[in-house]
Amino acid sequence: SAVISQKPSRDICQRGTSLTIQCQVDSQVTMMFWYRQQPGQSLTLIATANQGSEATYESGFVIDKFPISRPNLTFSTLTVSNMSPEDSSIYLCSVGGQGLNTQYFGPGTRLTVL
Amino acid sequence: QKEVEQNSGPLSVPEGAIASLNCTYSDRVSQSFFWYRQYSGKSPELIMSIYSNGDKEDGRFTAQLNKASQYVSLLIRDSQPSDSATYLCAVNQKSSTLGRLYFGRGTQLTVWP
Repeated sequence: SAVISQKPSRDICQRGTSLTIQCQVDSQVTMMFWYRQQPGQSLTLIATANQGSEATYESGFVIDKFPISRPNLTFSTLTVSNMSPEDSSIYLCSVGGQGLNTQYFGPGTRLTVL
Repeated sequence: QKEVEQNSGPLSVPEGAIASLNCTYSDRVSQSFFWYRQYSGKSPELIMSIYSNGDKEDGRFTAQLNKASQYVSLLIRDSQPSDSATYLCAVNQKSSTLGRLYFGRGTQLTVWP
């Protein structure tokens, strides 16, 4: 398994600002994923981040709005840019890939945009 | 388009009963199947995985897989109020190297005392 931490655990932000969420894993992992989960809804994949390559974004998500970094095999960041109240959600980091039998999730970051 | 379908529920069962959660998937080449449990306000946690047809038991949980019918289920025996959560079905196409998982919308389970 993998132990994942996320920072911050929660934040309240003003419209138009940006927030960077950090995801740290206790071991090297091939694949890292960023999800969004709005209240009462299921998981929505934002993008897949592989070390050494550009992130792959899902339909409806663009790099300008959600830039992602993956500088090494244990760390990734997701930035939510130019935020609006519609971005209020829980953002989850997940890891998977070679050596892991499934995906494991971080504790999430609860974001509220006023 | 890879789709994973679950009954959204809510499913409500009395304590001690068997809760049955169902999931169907559209991609016939899917090879790995998972059930996650998500308590309110928490992140998903893996509770069962199954890779071959048949049943797999782990304590009070039994996962059932039928690849011909593209159907996977989770049975919870002797349901407890602490089992009240949303259960997510997840499917992966690759069996050896885990790629992306495709998640269902989840079934909300309530176990009442």
